[in-house]
Amino acid sequence: KQEVTQIPAALSVPEGENLVLNCSFTDSAIYNLQWFRQDPGKGLTSLLLIQSSQREQTSGRLNASLDKSSGRSTLYIAASQPGDSATYLCAVEDYGQNFVFGPGTRLSVLP
Amino acid sequence: DTAVSQTPKYLVTQMGNDKSIKCEQNLGHDTMYWYKQDSKKFLKIMFSYNNKELIINETVPNRFSPKSPDKAHLNLHINSLELGDSAVYFCASSLRPYREDGYTFGSGTRLTVV
Repeated sequence: KQEVTQIPAALSVPEGENLVLNCSFTDSAIYNLQWFRQDPGKGLTSLLLIQSSQREQTSGRLNASLDKSSGRSTLYIAASQPGDSATYLCAVEDYGQNFVFGPGTRLSVLP
Repeated sequence: DTAVSQTPKYLVTQMGNDKSIKCEQNLGHDTMYWYKQDSKKFLKIMFSYNNKELIINETVPNRFSPKSPDKAHLNLHINSLELGDSAVYFCASSLRPYREDGYTFGSGTRLTVV
């Protein structure tokens, strides 16, 4: 049974810092891994999707890496801004198109 | 706000009733999905529509019927509600039905059957 964990649970940083969010999963038989952003009271928006055959994806100030064999992914945020404050969730999708989500990392970027 | 929006957020109803959950996306995506949150963090796919056509229909009771009047809307109708239907239901969309596109999820509808 797939389990997804995220570290840290919460993170508070001053504006401008680079930061890393971590995601671990127990079963490497994944189809892909996605990083999502959730703002309070809102749904989940996909930030980056990494196919199981890929090692990393980049979008703007975001870079996500995937090491499927070790069951790990990291989300790197460069030059953080107050607008980046949100909860970040990683989720693995299996071959049956089902998702298992991590508990999320709550990020606060202080001006 | 561009998003996937579901209504209602909370739904409490008695066994045997019929209820609907509505989902709308204004992202211009072609594909929409319904998921059921089976356990704390596991979302099991129920249905998927691409441009109003059903493309995924997992093994769910036929009391559940999706309806897509246009590609921006995918509603879920549930007949004769049972206690076991209590769960959080999530709507999602993706640009295309190919799994290399990211998904956008709604915030969920918590259904409680009493």
